[in-house]
Amino acid sequence: DGGITQSPKYLFRKEGQNVTLSCEQNLNHDAMYWYRQDPGQGLRLIYYSQIVNDFQKGDIAEGYSVSREKKESFPLTVTSAQKNPTAFYLCASSILRQEIGYTFGSGTRLTVV
Amino acid sequence: GQQLNQSPQSMFIQEGEDVSMNCTSSSIFNTWLWYKQDPGEGPVLLIALYKAGELTSNGRLTAQFGITRKDSFLNISASIPSDVGIYFCAGQGTSGTYKYIFGTGTRLKVLA
Repeated sequence: DGGITQSPKYLFRKEGQNVTLSCEQNLNHDAMYWYRQDPGQGLRLIYYSQIVNDFQKGDIAEGYSVSREKKESFPLTVTSAQKNPTAFYLCASSILRQEIGYTFGSGTRLTVV
Repeated sequence: GQQLNQSPQSMFIQEGEDVSMNCTSSSIFNTWLWYKQDPGEGPVLLIALYKAGELTSNGRLTAQFGITRKDSFLNISASIPSDVGIYFCAGQGTSGTYKYIFGTGTRLKVLA
């Protein structure tokens, strides 16, 4: 079955460390997105990519980096510059030019220890 | 960044009651979506709306695309304990970027 897979489900980071969250999809979707979810704040867009080797900043890109070397993969790196990284991170994908919405992964919960 | 205003922010209801929530925007949208997120999981699409005035049902769920194209409504009839979760609306505008803007969510808790 096609789907979008995020790993790991839970991730712990020490202060000052970079960590990378994985997102892989086998839906042949063109676009991929990363969202951050904090309690009571809904979904905030970090980065998105509509084509391989190209990506754009979302509303809260500072302290994060991404790459899109393959259509199937869109990893997110949370750098030490992100001062408050503890959150639930959601990856999504979609077909462009079709109004059918996003398919979401099951999320990664990142905690700074 | 822009977010949609969703209300209520949270609600506690008794099992069997009907639930209503809405989403409003200052911009016109071409598409409205409603998602449900179970605790610790990603959102799952419930209903998609594509035309102003459209009314669409999915089991006990009914959603409407507002006539002004600036709002949408979701109703859940005869709620059950598994309806608990966060409900998000999402809108796609007219700019052609194919990105969706998400609401702030309505957290629903059902008391058995």
